[in-house]
Amino acid sequence: GDSVTQMEGPVTLSEEAFLTINCTYTATGYPSLFWYVQYPGEGLQLLLKATKADDKGSNKGFEATYRKETTSFHLEKGSVQVSDSAVYFCALSDSNSGGSNYKLTFGKGTLLTVNP
Amino acid sequence: GAGVSQSPSNKVTEKGKDVELRCDPISGHTALYWYRQSLGQGLEFLIYFQGNSAPDKSGLPSDRFSAERTGGSVSTLTIQRTQQEDSAVYLCASSLLGRIRTDTQYFGPGTRLTVL
Repeated sequence: GDSVTQMEGPVTLSEEAFLTINCTYTATGYPSLFWYVQYPGEGLQLLLKATKADDKGSNKGFEATYRKETTSFHLEKGSVQVSDSAVYFCALSDSNSGGSNYKLTFGKGTLLTVNP
Repeated sequence: GAGVSQSPSNKVTEKGKDVELRCDPISGHTALYWYRQSLGQGLEFLIYFQGNSAPDKSGLPSDRFSAERTGGSVSTLTIQRTQQEDSAVYLCASSLLGRIRTDTQYFGPGTRLTVL
């Protein structure tokens, strides 16, 4: 079945540091890939997505590139801010799985804390 | 525009009682999803609606869980005879079309259920 593995946290950085959160996936079909973010006390928000190989999703200074050859979708940001402190979830929506291409499969989440 | 809304935001109940959780999707979204977020299990898919029908209920953990959707809009998740292991945050999401892997799911703020 489908699965998503992301680096375990927590991750603690200083403001303006470079961020990478690794995400790899296993899928039976050709998935779309997503990063969702959950700020403290809030619901899940879509951060960015990519729907085909070599696509780069970007938003709010965050980027992730769909790498089919390495089955990865690593999240990066060049200079983090305190306001980026949140839990980040990598997820996929598969094209196969018996037609269940609506179901999101999530990683376990990575807690990021950015200190001033 | 208005996002996905859920009510109540918090629910505390006693073991053995029934609870109903409500979701109002984004207007015009045909697909609706329920997920559960718990410390031990992460984010798990529960059920998917396309219009008023639920072609995939495979994630419902037991027959104590049921859900319905009426008018292609509001959905209610019902848990009968609640158990302590049902304590979690229940998330609702909606998307425009469903069924395609590129569709984006938008999440509500969740209902935190605590079973004493």
